[in-house]
Amino acid sequence: SYVLTQPPSVSVAPGQTARITCGGNNIGSKSVHWYQQKPGQAPVLVVYDDSDRPSGIPERFSGSNSGNTATLTISRVEAGDEADYYCQVWDSSSDHREVFGGGTKLTVL
Amino acid sequence: QVQLQESGPGLVKPSQTLSLTCTVSGGSISSGDYYWSWIRQPPGKGLEWIGYIYYSGSTYYNPSLKSRVTISVDTSKNQFSLKLSSVTAADTAVYYCARTGYSSSWYNYWGQGTLVTVSS
Repeated sequence: SYVLTQPPSVSVAPGQTARITCGGNNIGSKSVHWYQQKPGQAPVLVVYDDSDRPSGIPERFSGSNSGNTATLTISRVEAGDEADYYCQVWDSSSDHREVFGGGTKLTVL
Repeated sequence: QVQLQESGPGLVKPSQTLSLTCTVSGGSISSGDYYWSWIRQPPGKGLEWIGYIYYSGSTYYNPSLKSRVTISVDTSKNQFSLKLSSVTAADTAVYYCARTGYSSSWYNYWGQGTLVTVSS
């Protein structure tokens, strides 16, 4: 089955840029989606189809995807961005059609 | 605005069957444009896709759970349901219902989640 690998944690100071990676075999050929999850809450979609933002998501959130790595970039990080972030793809090559990464805890220092 | 709401017992005994229902409001489950999904998250861990169903009844399941999972739909009630048999403590998790597109794969609507604990 397809595997997505995320770093367990990323730390960044307020106002700086956070980059969260999601690794997978030839992930650049797939559409990657990103979710933000705060404690006790359901995940919220922040980026879909590699780099598109749903309405209401700040422009500070952006995404890219190439080769074996997709990246969620959060510019001008704020304290309110502290959360867990998950990447997700649809794997058409197997029965395990929806795959989530293990998640990355973003800590704002 | 589409809303999803999970309901069902919060405590299930080992070896029994976990049963949850998701009620959809603000949109029809029969629209044909979406898959209706179950996703779970063990305490302190990541998200795991369980499976989804199309309004017609077509289902797709996570192979690791396939032998124990049944997802069904009741279009008359605008609901879909999850049954997970032979549960163990490892099935303790927050269970979410969510919606993904038929021709897209992101989840833009989620229920609030419901914690199901497996314990005697």
